[in-house]
Amino acid sequence: AQKITQTQPGMFVQEKEAVTLDCTYDTSDQSYGLFWYKQPSSGEMIFLIYQGSYDEQNATEGRYSLNFQKARKSANLVISASQLGDSAMYFCAMREGLVNFNKFYFGSGTKLNVKP
Amino acid sequence: ETGVTQTPRHLVMGMTNKKSLKCEQHLGHNAMYWYKQSAKKPLELMFVYNFKEQTENNSVPSRFSPECPNSSHLFLHLHTLQPEDSALYLCASSQGLTDSGNTIYFGEGSWLTVV
Repeated sequence: AQKITQTQPGMFVQEKEAVTLDCTYDTSDQSYGLFWYKQPSSGEMIFLIYQGSYDEQNATEGRYSLNFQKARKSANLVISASQLGDSAMYFCAMREGLVNFNKFYFGSGTKLNVKP
Repeated sequence: ETGVTQTPRHLVMGMTNKKSLKCEQHLGHNAMYWYKQSAKKPLELMFVYNFKEQTENNSVPSRFSPECPNSSHLFLHLHTLQPEDSALYLCASSQGLTDSGNTIYFGEGSWLTVV
């Protein structure tokens, strides 16, 4: 089974609107971490936001927030007030366990296009 | 400016060539990684080094040979590659393998084309 599932290959959003990128994960570990990365066309993977499995509050970083629903095993990324520079690939990732980046899994990504 | 620098950014090589990808991190991290990103496939972890010691080799063919002379530098030596090895190769680093709150930081990647 896939560890990380991103069901939206591509998304369009109007500039200044909010957008939600979906991510579901599969693990039997009690301790894990969830990450979102942004990859512009240049190739660099840019870390956006992190949510630990024991964190009770949803993580927020500026215009990014992570809608963490543990029972549903979902970790959706919400981008508020979209900007043209947000157009990129977005990857959801999970680290199983607390201590080991050897078990670090990426989804297939969602390509976000922000329209002016 | 990223704290992880990769060179070259673009490389075209023939199947009989020998080339190397270089990665340097300026973040004081202890762990370094090589990932492969092919079109339409999730990122694949290739190698992990922690304090210069290889801790993971994810069934990578021997035509890829990593080298980690110190915690700041990581190389990927390439020899007799195949066209299907064409991909974006991403280097990454993290504080270590033992901190639950940290994350992996990536370089800009090296685009490799094998002809």
